[in-house]
Amino acid sequence: NAGVTQTPKFQVLKTGQSMTLQCAQDMNHEYMSWYRQDPGMGLRLIHYSVGAGITDQGEVPNGYNVSRSTTEDFPLRLLSAAPSQTSVYFCASRSHGSTDTQYFGPGTRLTVL
Amino acid sequence: SQQGEEDPQALSIQEGENATMNCSYKTSINNLQWYRQNSGRGLVHLILIRSNEREKHSGRLRVTLDTSKKSSSLLITASRAADTASYFCATVNIQGGSEKLVFGKGTKLTVNP
Repeated sequence: NAGVTQTPKFQVLKTGQSMTLQCAQDMNHEYMSWYRQDPGMGLRLIHYSVGAGITDQGEVPNGYNVSRSTTEDFPLRLLSAAPSQTSVYFCASRSHGSTDTQYFGPGTRLTVL
Repeated sequence: SQQGEEDPQALSIQEGENATMNCSYKTSINNLQWYRQNSGRGLVHLILIRSNEREKHSGRLRVTLDTSKKSSSLLITASRAADTASYFCATVNIQGGSEKLVFGKGTKLTVNP
């Protein structure tokens, strides 16, 4: 299994541009989530999904959209990038139970100029 | 807002010594998990302790949970240089049926050879 994969690894955007961060998992996990990690802030939950067709907001959802059309994929869209969105983004997945191990992708480092 | 708060923020020890990191949280939890993050990498799940458990072991790791004090500790015994990483606690709170994982800001551990 490839586990959780994320693309791209690095991205530089200009203010106002839009883009989609890709996340895929091949473990048939129901639960997927997106976090951002900023220095000194730990990981903060952006959006999450408990299954195909179901998404919900996390702690810091503004400026981001998600959709979950398949079990495998959970893309994160930046609608109009802002410098405050400069961060490292991590996608994660697990089976539905809260005691199941959560697996993280390698991250996407995004810089917004 | 973030649930867990790790203490200390940074810890530097010599190889062979034990490392203890603490985590405090604010609300009732279902379980508490510890993760490790090597520099520039995604997070890796280390150990989970349920709210009805007080102590758990996994190899050189020992986790304790005190729900009355809303705190947990992670002990790494006989540390190695390879243990150098950031360590995060994360709590699971069941709200409205969605089991979100909320992370603290982490402890940066340096093990000097």
